[in-house]
Amino acid sequence: AQSVAQPEDQVNVAEGNPLTVKCTYSVSGNPYLFWYVQYPNRGLQFLLKYITGDNLVKGSYGFEAEFKRSQSSFNLRKPSVHWSDAAEYFCAVAPGYSSASKIIFGSGTRLSIRP
Amino acid sequence: EPEVTQTPSHQVTQMGQEVILRCVPISNHLYFYWYRQILGQKVEFLVSFYNNEISEKSEIFDDQFSVERPDGSNFTLKIRSTKLEDSAMYFCASEGTGVGEQFFGPGTRLTVL
Repeated sequence: AQSVAQPEDQVNVAEGNPLTVKCTYSVSGNPYLFWYVQYPNRGLQFLLKYITGDNLVKGSYGFEAEFKRSQSSFNLRKPSVHWSDAAEYFCAVAPGYSSASKIIFGSGTRLSIRP
Repeated sequence: EPEVTQTPSHQVTQMGQEVILRCVPISNHLYFYWYRQILGQKVEFLVSFYNNEISEKSEIFDDQFSVERPDGSNFTLKIRSTKLEDSAMYFCASEGTGVGEQFFGPGTRLTVL
């Protein structure tokens, strides 16, 4: 069965410190991997994606993610968080290429920033 | 920047009533989706739509659900006879290329009483 796991419901990081949000996936074939962010009372916003090529993907707002096939992981990182990064982060996978491919989401990780 | 819009932002209805949730996708996009998120749970895929027909649907998307693109701009989700368990946030999304970057609307919170 295709699935995405985010083991941490919540992470708390001091402003200016680095951030890692963990994600593992289970899908047959070559996965298409994504990170989305949801700010309070807003829709899901696309951050970045991995389709093929370089395993380190850079996205919006200084975020990046590293695809590690051997670990079935796609962790989200940011070198230095800002208070405005407080939001919920969703890892997601599209199980291979097909037209109008659905996205399977993880359960989300809520990021809170301490001063 | 173009964005997906959804109306209404909040819909309250009585069990058994029909509801129509409306979405205006990004204008040059070709692929359209509905997802839902029950409070405290994951975002779940409901249905995808391309070339005026359903491409894929989940087990959740039973005979009570239907989608339509009536006029080339709107994309609607209809629930014919709502149940309490249909209470959720419903997200519309659209995509231009058919793989990857789906753009989501802000959602409609449906409350079934």
